[in-house]
Amino acid sequence: EVQLVESGGGLVKPGGSLRLSCAASGFTFSDYSVNWVRQAPGKGLEWVSSISSTTSYIDYADSVKGRFTISRDNAKNSLYLQMNSLRAEDTAVYYCATPYYYDSSGPDLDYWGQGTLVTVSS
Amino acid sequence: SYELTQPSSVSVSPGQTARITCSGDVLAKKYGRWFQQKPGQAPVLVIYKDSERPSGIPERFSGSRSGTTVTLTISGAQVEDEADYYCYSAADNSGVFGGGTKLTVL
Repeated sequence: EVQLVESGGGLVKPGGSLRLSCAASGFTFSDYSVNWVRQAPGKGLEWVSSISSTTSYIDYADSVKGRFTISRDNAKNSLYLQMNSLRAEDTAVYYCATPYYYDSSGPDLDYWGQGTLVTVSS
Repeated sequence: SYELTQPSSVSVSPGQTARITCSGDVLAKKYGRWFQQKPGQAPVLVIYKDSERPSGIPERFSGSRSGTTVTLTISGAQVEDEADYYCYSAADNSGVFGGGTKLTVL
């Protein structure tokens, strides 16, 4: 069974930093790209970033480019998101998500974790 | 950047057919997915590759495509299908979500 478990969320002041983690199990993590998606309170879903299986391809939404860094450790079956220069508008539940049924080598999403809440407030 | 457009809300009575559309230029060259999200829960995939249904998803959920529009159809909608539904497409360098449709089954 595919499982994705996010951690690392919490309360941080504007301008601060936070590192999110996602632990994967139940599939061959190193074969798949992985993504971060966020959802602000009461709002819709927003794709944030994607990293390919071998880290050859990394993409970011314009809203986080230059502030967030995605990375992965295939030996640990883990995905990370380093978030710097955080703003109030970054407040959201952050999900990691991976393809499973169909992988076009783009930012495909099929399975999701339960999410971790990041709150940016003074 | 690409955009996907969905209606903000759809309402049906139990047993009726609900249809939710999603339109956007990215769908001319990329497949669409549909996610169901209930309050306080993570999204769940209900359709991928425009019309494929993952294992465990009831047969009343189906998907179709016409040009740059994909449609999610729930045949014989049930009260438990009340949720937010999001379309999604994996463009070359970014992911694109529709704004979401609140389905009311009442």
